[in-house]
Amino acid sequence: DAKTTQPNSMESNEEEPVHLPCNHSTISGTDYIHWYRQLPSQGPEYVIHGLTSNVNNRMASLAIAEDRKSSTLILHRATLRDAAVYYCILKSLPGNTGKLIFGQGTTLQVKP
Amino acid sequence: DTEVTQTPKHLVMGMTNKKSLKCEQHMGHRAMYWYKQKAKKPPELMFVYSYEKLSINESVPSRFSPECPNSSLLNLHLHALQPEDSALYLCASSQELRKAGYGYTFGSGTRLTVV
Repeated sequence: DAKTTQPNSMESNEEEPVHLPCNHSTISGTDYIHWYRQLPSQGPEYVIHGLTSNVNNRMASLAIAEDRKSSTLILHRATLRDAAVYYCILKSLPGNTGKLIFGQGTTLQVKP
Repeated sequence: DTEVTQTPKHLVMGMTNKKSLKCEQHMGHRAMYWYKQKAKKPPELMFVYSYEKLSINESVPSRFSPECPNSSLLNLHLHALQPEDSALYLCASSQELRKAGYGYTFGSGTRLTVV
């Protein structure tokens, strides 16, 4: 699976939008972009995924660049409970081994 | 039921003990996984099961022995562990290995301490 690059940490104010970037310049045409987050003392939690088009769900939005070499996870209104480590992961469809490989992720701090 | 349940939540074991971690899901997922997570590090994949068969072993030492007795259960048997094996052990499941467009569901983990 191709590699992703994320900032180590980001800060946000409560009730403001947060844009978490992810670079994946070696992405292939069949790679899905997955986002997970891990709250303190919990297991990772699925947030959202997409292939080519922007995606929205109840937790967040995923904006995918036209060339697919980068993506942005958008939390529309950050709360203190959104403080977590956010992981951007690529999952390839052909020959999918099932491996979900975590990088270092972005630690998001939310200030009241 | 949309959860992965792991038991126990906490485990302290001696280096000569034998213990088992248990993971259960009732979502009909046919792929299940064990991960190990050390403090302030990302989860590391250990094993992948697909349709109750071991698909991937990420060169894990033999003192860790996985077992998948049926499609809902995944166990991790522990024997002669070392203090450096102390970590959070996470179980996860997903629909099928070949479906990259679906999310994985993780349990809350078992916090293991080896003394």
